[in-house]
Amino acid sequence: NAGVMQNPRHLVRRRGQEARLRCSPMKGHSHVYWYRQLPEEGLKFMVYLQKENIIDESGMPKERFSAEFPKEGPSILRIQQVVRGDSAAYFCASSLQTSGGWNEQFFGPGTRLTVL
Amino acid sequence: GQQVMQIPQYQHVQEGEDFTTYCNSSTTLSNIQWYKQRPGGHPVFLIQLVKSGEVKKQKRLTFQFGEAKKNSSLHITATQTTDVGTYFCAGPNTDKLIFGTGTRLQVFP
Repeated sequence: NAGVMQNPRHLVRRRGQEARLRCSPMKGHSHVYWYRQLPEEGLKFMVYLQKENIIDESGMPKERFSAEFPKEGPSILRIQQVVRGDSAAYFCASSLQTSGGWNEQFFGPGTRLTVL
Repeated sequence: GQQVMQIPQYQHVQEGEDFTTYCNSSTTLSNIQWYKQRPGGHPVFLIQLVKSGEVKKQKRLTFQFGEAKKNSSLHITATQTTDVGTYFCAGPNTDKLIFGTGTRLQVFP
């Protein structure tokens, strides 16, 4: 049973470009969470999605960031017009089909985004 | 908003010494989870505590949930170099988890 998959593992973008980060949850999991981790810091919640629905995006910056989890295919975190401050590790996690706070989350390997 | 703090931020120990990290929430928690992140890796679930005053053990790791369900601790007995990493607690907030600030453990052989 494959775990949570993320790609790319490393992504380099120049300022102003777009970054697309993909996450495929574990088989049978329909809850997906995105986190941002700056170097030497903790995990900051960004967004929580179920299939075709954004449940909680309270941690997502209002501009340039968007997320989706379509009926078919992976969840996508999209960052438009990247700036140097967007450089971070972005982790995706998934959990079983129940209330998120009561189930363990399985994390992907992360995407390390570097903005030049 | 809800905050989850951990102390200490860093801990350096000699191999064989014990280690404890403490987790404090600004609100009462229905449950608490602990995760470990190795350097360069991703967080991995360790355990979940649900009951007030609950204590669970995993080999050399002992997890405790406070009576008031606002704090928790992780104690490692006789640390080994394989224990190196950052330990995070996490508490639920509606449908998501709020992660603590983490404690980074370094073990010197």
